[in-house]
Amino acid sequence: EDQVTQSPEALRLQEGESSSLNCSYTVSGLRGLFWYRQDPGKGPEFLFTLYSAGEEKEKERLKATLTKKESFLHITAPKPEDSATYLCAVQAVGGDDKIIFGKGTRLHILP
Amino acid sequence: DSGVTQTPKHLITATGQRVTLRCSPRSGDLSVYWYQQSLDQGLQFLIQYYNGEERAKGNILERFSAQQFPDLHSELNLSSLELGDSALYFCASSVGTSGRGEQYFGPGTRLTVT
Repeated sequence: EDQVTQSPEALRLQEGESSSLNCSYTVSGLRGLFWYRQDPGKGPEFLFTLYSAGEEKEKERLKATLTKKESFLHITAPKPEDSATYLCAVQAVGGDDKIIFGKGTRLHILP
Repeated sequence: DSGVTQTPKHLITATGQRVTLRCSPRSGDLSVYWYQQSLDQGLQFLIQYYNGEERAKGNILERFSAQQFPDLHSELNLSSLELGDSALYFCASSVGTSGRGEQYFGPGTRLTVT
C-alpha cells in the first residue's frame, strides 16, 4: 500500500536556526513527490514538485531534495513567517491521479 | 488567493441530514479534487473529476457523492451525516489530469455535525 510518513510531527526552532523536515514514502512507482505549506484554517499552498532521485528545488529559504525513499525540506535561517504545517504528498505511477498526503510537520519559528 | 472558490465557508447541521458543498475551480482548470481533513486523519483524498468525468476515487464513503457540471464547477453531496463527518472539506483544481502536484486549493468548508 502506498504510504507517506512525515517526521517530526512538530518542530520548534529559534529564528535563524536551520533544520530539515523528513518525508519517507513507499509507492510502487513514483510519478511525483510534492510539498505544500498550510497555514491554520486555510487550504494547502503548493511549493514544489520533485520527479526523480537527485532532483532539488529551491524557493527563498526552502530547498526540497529527493532520494529513492525519502525527501527532505531544508529550511535555512527561518523567520517567524515560515511557521506553518508542511505537507508532503506522493503520486504513484498507475491508472489514476490519486495523491496521498502525509500528516504533516507543524513548524513553529520563535522570534 | 488561489482562484478556487468554495461555498459555504461554514456549515452546521444535525446527524442524519444531507448537505451540498460547492466548488468553482480556477479559470482554465479542468480537474477538480475533493479532500477531507480531520485532526486525526490528515488530508484524505476523496474523488477527482476531469472535464465532467470521474477520474480517480479515494476513500470516499458510499454516503458521499460528487459531480462536475458542464461549467466545470463541482458539488460534493454528503448524506446521512454522522458526527464523524465533521471536518474541513477542501476542493482543489489543476489544469490537466495528472495534476503534476500543482493543485490549487480553495479556502475550505468547515462542516460541523451535531
